[in-house]
Amino acid sequence: GAGVSQSPRYKVTKRGQDVALRCDPISGHVSLYWYRQALGQGPEFLTYFNYEAQQDKSGLPNDRFSAERPEGSISTLTIQRTEQRDSAMYRCASSLSDNEQFFGPGTRLTVL
Amino acid sequence: AQSVTQLGSHVSVSEGALVLLRCNYSSSVPPYLFWYVQYPNQGLQLLLKYTSAATLVKGINGFEAEFKKSETSFHLTKPSAHMSDAAEYFCALDTGRRALTFGSGTRLQVQP
Repeated sequence: GAGVSQSPRYKVTKRGQDVALRCDPISGHVSLYWYRQALGQGPEFLTYFNYEAQQDKSGLPNDRFSAERPEGSISTLTIQRTEQRDSAMYRCASSLSDNEQFFGPGTRLTVL
Repeated sequence: AQSVTQLGSHVSVSEGALVLLRCNYSSSVPPYLFWYVQYPNQGLQLLLKYTSAATLVKGINGFEAEFKKSETSFHLTKPSAHMSDAAEYFCALDTGRRALTFGSGTRLQVQP
């Protein structure tokens, strides 16, 4: 079956622009997670949803970052007024009710 | 606060040799522990997980890991390395919050 998909796979933007990153989880997965991975580091938790409810957003670095999952399936991570320090790989994962998370290929964001 | 430490950012072994990737954790509650593998341009793939059922956990591709509470360790091993094992490996911890805490990763190189 289809795994977690993310789009776009690569995004180059200019500083100050807004970007929206999309995650399509595995069908039927209840939970959806967003992580950010800087070069040479492990992924860092940003936020997660159960169905459409955002359960934990403690990892979002500041109020320029937001996420939604309005219908409990596809999720969008939005970064407003991007800065160069936002450049990273953004990874999405989904899971059933247990704790085994399945990861997508990621979106590589470059802010010029 | 929980944390994961992976000793050695790069490990090089010869094909057929033992693979040992080290992971130590810090957690105030009994953790769930995971090893993920990341191949270039791909998402993180789960190798194995510890969820308190058994301290020796067997995973895919011949890998296994042993949970040692007294040493707060969860080292990953494979008896005989194969060229296809070359990748980056991440140890991760879940304390029940569902947000995974990752180590910084170990890049495994396999020499012919």
